[in-house]
Amino acid sequence: NFILTQPHSVPESPGKTVTISCTRSSGNIASNYVQWYQQRPGSFPTTVIYEDNQRPSGVPDRFSGSIDSSSNSASLTISGLKTEDEADYYCQSYDNTYKVFGGGTKLTVL
Amino acid sequence: QVQLVQSGAEVRKPGSSMKVSCKASGGTFNSYAISWVRQAPGQGLEWMGRIIPLIDMTMYAQKFQGRVTITADKSTSTAYLELSSLRSEDTAVYYCARDPSINSAFDMWGQGTMVTVSS
Repeated sequence: NFILTQPHSVPESPGKTVTISCTRSSGNIASNYVQWYQQRPGSFPTTVIYEDNQRPSGVPDRFSGSIDSSSNSASLTISGLKTEDEADYYCQSYDNTYKVFGGGTKLTVL
Repeated sequence: QVQLVQSGAEVRKPGSSMKVSCKASGGTFNSYAISWVRQAPGQGLEWMGRIIPLIDMTMYAQKFQGRVTITADKSTSTAYLELSSLRSEDTAVYYCARDPSINSAFDMWGQGTMVTVSS
């Protein structure tokens, strides 16, 4: 089984761009789609990126996803940060028979 | 519009079992799977397993093998999560989520059920 490693926390200022990484421990990151979820306190997660780089309807184009095979990692980039983007972000991928979440990254916008 | 509606909060003693339900209100499961994801207080999301109700096929995370059972009642469009031999570390919010396929994102979530394991 593989694990997905994310930074524990990322602080950034409003208007800036932040990138959150998600590194896969074994197996090829490009072999299985990566999804990204946003979770605000007291609420269930919502999808901000699916299938590596696709945005669900209603998610602003400030959110983008990418894959880097050289570092075996996925990234979530949020540009033009707003205070409302402050939340926990989780990457998630899968293998043949199971799904895996990253440990989550707390994004602080201050 | 389909919603996933979960059962209410539970308090259980160590060593006992829990059973949480997740009903597709306003519709059916169709061909979708239902996954169960839990979140301990202040911790991250943890996938526990999934069921495809149409064919009663289940998959479980290795960590929970032997302690977890996921079932579904197609007639009532309700999925169930059972976890046995509870310990304090099982205290968490348990979410069900609609799971279109193994390679897709969860596209709908239940409201979550808080389960507290305490003597």
